[in-house]
Amino acid sequence: DQQVKQNSPSLSVQEGRISILNCDYTNSMFDYFLWYKKYPAEGPTFLISISSIKDKNEDGRFTVFLNKSAKHLSLHIVPSQPGDSAVYFCGCITQGGSEKLVFGKGTKLTVNP
Amino acid sequence: NAGVMQNPRHLVRRRGQEARLRCSPMKGHSHVYWYRQLPEEGLKFMVYLQKENIIDESGMPKERFSAEFPKEGPSILRIQQVVRGDSAAYFCASSPPSSLPDKAFFGQGTRLTVV
Repeated sequence: DQQVKQNSPSLSVQEGRISILNCDYTNSMFDYFLWYKKYPAEGPTFLISISSIKDKNEDGRFTVFLNKSAKHLSLHIVPSQPGDSAVYFCGCITQGGSEKLVFGKGTKLTVNP
Repeated sequence: NAGVMQNPRHLVRRRGQEARLRCSPMKGHSHVYWYRQLPEEGLKFMVYLQKENIIDESGMPKERFSAEFPKEGPSILRIQQVVRGDSAAYFCASSPPSSLPDKAFFGQGTRLTVV
């Protein structure tokens, strides 16, 4: 039973355009959401997060949007750069619960120069 | 301040052998998480440990797999009698106590190959 779904295994965009990565979850107990970025042969690195009390969080070129009623979040990268090419994992957690961070399968983003 | 250290980076084992994967958390971090990434798959939670305690092992296979995080020394993920299906990248993450998961840092992983 996959609680966190990233339905697009891959995404390709042109440099300078917007990248939109999507994530859907099924567990209504999740109340904190994160995006991690992973390069080949490296561990994931934290990118940006959002609490369920917010619907938007912005950090430079990265913005995460949360729609609680739809159980959907998205990561927007604008403008996209070739260095953004990586696999992006969406993670969800229930604070005060087991603190188990549940990830989606990831979306491989390719930004073409 | 070194990051999360995992060793070995690469491990090759024959079927039936034991695999031991080590994770040294960042200084001051007392929480350790282990994740497994199978080929073409995402990161699957395996186990969450605090010093000398297993908090959540709901992602660990019931047989052959065990994990520990002793008072002194690294966290160890142990796989007994490995099979080809155990071939994967195993990632460890650590975080300080009572922190949001933003503060969890991942190691570079151990790539296990079972031949």
